[in-house]
Amino acid sequence: ETGVTQTPRHLVMGMTNKKSLKCEQHLGHNAMYWYKQSAKKPLELMFVYSLEERVENNSVPSRFSPECPNSSHLFLHLHTLQPEDSALYLCASSRGQVGSPLHFGNGTRLTVT
Amino acid sequence: AQTVTQSQPEMSVQEAETVTLSCTYDTSESDYYLFWYKQPPSRQMILVIRQEAYKQQNATENRFSVNFQKAAKSFSLKISDSQLGDAAMYFCAYRSASGNTGKLIFGQGTTLQVKP
Repeated sequence: ETGVTQTPRHLVMGMTNKKSLKCEQHLGHNAMYWYKQSAKKPLELMFVYSLEERVENNSVPSRFSPECPNSSHLFLHLHTLQPEDSALYLCASSRGQVGSPLHFGNGTRLTVT
Repeated sequence: AQTVTQSQPEMSVQEAETVTLSCTYDTSESDYYLFWYKQPPSRQMILVIRQEAYKQQNATENRFSVNFQKAAKSFSLKISDSQLGDAAMYFCAYRSASGNTGKLIFGQGTTLQVKP
């Protein structure tokens, strides 16, 4: 399924770099999510946007800054990251109806050196 | 707060056999949704099956079925006639029927190996 597209697929960055992750959905959904997947840990919800408004921020450090310019696009801006931020970052989208499943992208594998 | 627990980090099954993956959850809500997702090496999380808590009938999707025990807060996934392509990490997830975020709460995952 190519309904949710994430770029880049892999990213290596130094701790002083600034980079952005991009997510685009072609499913007509109105909610978008960022999840962090680390080894040996459950997926952690980072941010939720509903109708382009941020409705949840799960105590994520300020070095992660989300942006949702419209219902089809979601960004995660990264700056001054730490090595422990290395993980797989997954974007997802869903319809607004209760119980609608999330549709995920392929993720961005981020390595912070 | 809701939690989801998958107590089997790894499972294996012989091709064409049946395997059951366990999931338990904790919630004080009476209305919610449960999901099983599959994550193959391609990394994309793929929806396998969905269950509505207010429906007693167990959901089924081809070779995949669930055993939903609401009182016991248990939601296991049964894979019948296992195929090599079923090898993946499987995640159980919970979604509240209230609130406006629609977020999923995931378990730790179970890695399924399918032996030829």
